[in-house]
Amino acid sequence: GNSVTQMEGPVTLSEEAFLTINCTYTATGYPSLFWYVQYPGEGLQLLLKATKADDKGSNKGFEATYRKETTSFHLEKGSVQVSDSAVYFCALFNSGGSNYKLTFGKGTLLTVNP
Amino acid sequence: NAGVTQTPKFQVLKTGQSMTLQCAQDMNHEYMSWYRQDPGMGLRLIHYSVGAGITDQGEVPNGYNVSRSTTEDFPLRLLSAAPSQTSVYFCASSWAGSGYEQYFGPGTRLTVT
Repeated sequence: GNSVTQMEGPVTLSEEAFLTINCTYTATGYPSLFWYVQYPGEGLQLLLKATKADDKGSNKGFEATYRKETTSFHLEKGSVQVSDSAVYFCALFNSGGSNYKLTFGKGTLLTVNP
Repeated sequence: NAGVTQTPKFQVLKTGQSMTLQCAQDMNHEYMSWYRQDPGMGLRLIHYSVGAGITDQGEVPNGYNVSRSTTEDFPLRLLSAAPSQTSVYFCASSWAGSGYEQYFGPGTRLTVT
């Protein structure tokens, strides 16, 4: 079956620090990969996505590259802000056959201090 | 567009009661799903639908029923509430054209006493 493993938090950084949140996956076929963000008290919203190998998703200074050879989709940001404090979820979606499902990692809590 | 809407926002039930969580979307998405979010567990898929009249089980379907009579609506029914169903429930919709990027509703916080 499909699975997503992301680094466990919490992660605490100072403002302007570099961020990496690791995400690896197992899946059959060619899944789409996503990073979602959940701000305190809110629902989830899409941060970025990549639908095929070597695609790079980017948004709001965050980036992640779909690496099929290492089955990874690590999230990076060069300089975090206090407003980036949130829970980040890595996810994959497989379609076709009986595999029409979105599978989430357990989430990584990021706290950015001024 | 209102996007994905969920009602109610909060609900308290007693053990054994039944209720329906409502979910609607106005984006004509074919795919809809229900998740529960529990501390330390991430989001777990309860049920999903790939179109009107078609539903399937996710990772944690026991104690929940769904139906999809229209493209817009995907209600989740709790048959006999249990304390283990205390959670935050999210509905989401998506379509193939966006690579199945999920659009989430604001969530329903359910407490079962």
